[in-house]
Amino acid sequence: GENVEQHPSTLSVQEGDSAVIKCTYSDSASNYFPWYKQELGKGPQLIIDIRSNVGEKKDQRIAVTLNKTAKHFSLHITETQPEDSAVYFCAASSGNYGQNFVFGPGTRLSVLP
Amino acid sequence: SAVISQKPSRDICQRGTSLTIQCQVDSQVTMMFWYRQQPGQSLTLIATANQGSEATYESGFVIDKFPISRPNLTFSTLTVSNMSPEDSSIYLCSARRNEQFFGPGTRLTVL
Repeated sequence: GENVEQHPSTLSVQEGDSAVIKCTYSDSASNYFPWYKQELGKGPQLIIDIRSNVGEKKDQRIAVTLNKTAKHFSLHITETQPEDSAVYFCAASSGNYGQNFVFGPGTRLSVLP
Repeated sequence: SAVISQKPSRDICQRGTSLTIQCQVDSQVTMMFWYRQQPGQSLTLIATANQGSEATYESGFVIDKFPISRPNLTFSTLTVSNMSPEDSSIYLCSARRNEQFFGPGTRLTVL
């Protein structure tokens, strides 16, 4: 089955700097790659996603890149702010109905003021 | 997007008892899911809640321990049965409509 790895497990950056989180997946059939942000005491919130027919997607300060050949995708956050501090999860999914939706282990991002 | 609510938000239970968690979505969705998230860990899928039929359980999870109901397209329940301290965790309801959304979670502590 699908296996998703995520690095780093923890990341500290200074406010205003960029943060990059990388994920790799094993199943070449995976075609949908979302990123979730989870703040303390809350459920995961979808922040951006990318499908396999696209190499990059951007939404304001957040971008995701996908390399299907290498089976890895990355989350890029620019101009980080203290409210970006949270745990970020990547996931990989194949199929149209959420089956095989596998999460990475998470990255705890701390943005230092 | 979809708004998902869960009840209760947290509970403390005695071992051997059962707890039913309710999940309500603000609009009809085809797919609903239940996840478990242990402290500091990632999300593990327990089962897919199918409307009008039995839930589909992932490896390591069984219906007797985690019975699930899905009476309509906006509502589901997860019961954690005969609880032990190892069941202490956050239980998350999720729904899929194009993207997948999560409820706020139910934090369960079993003494």
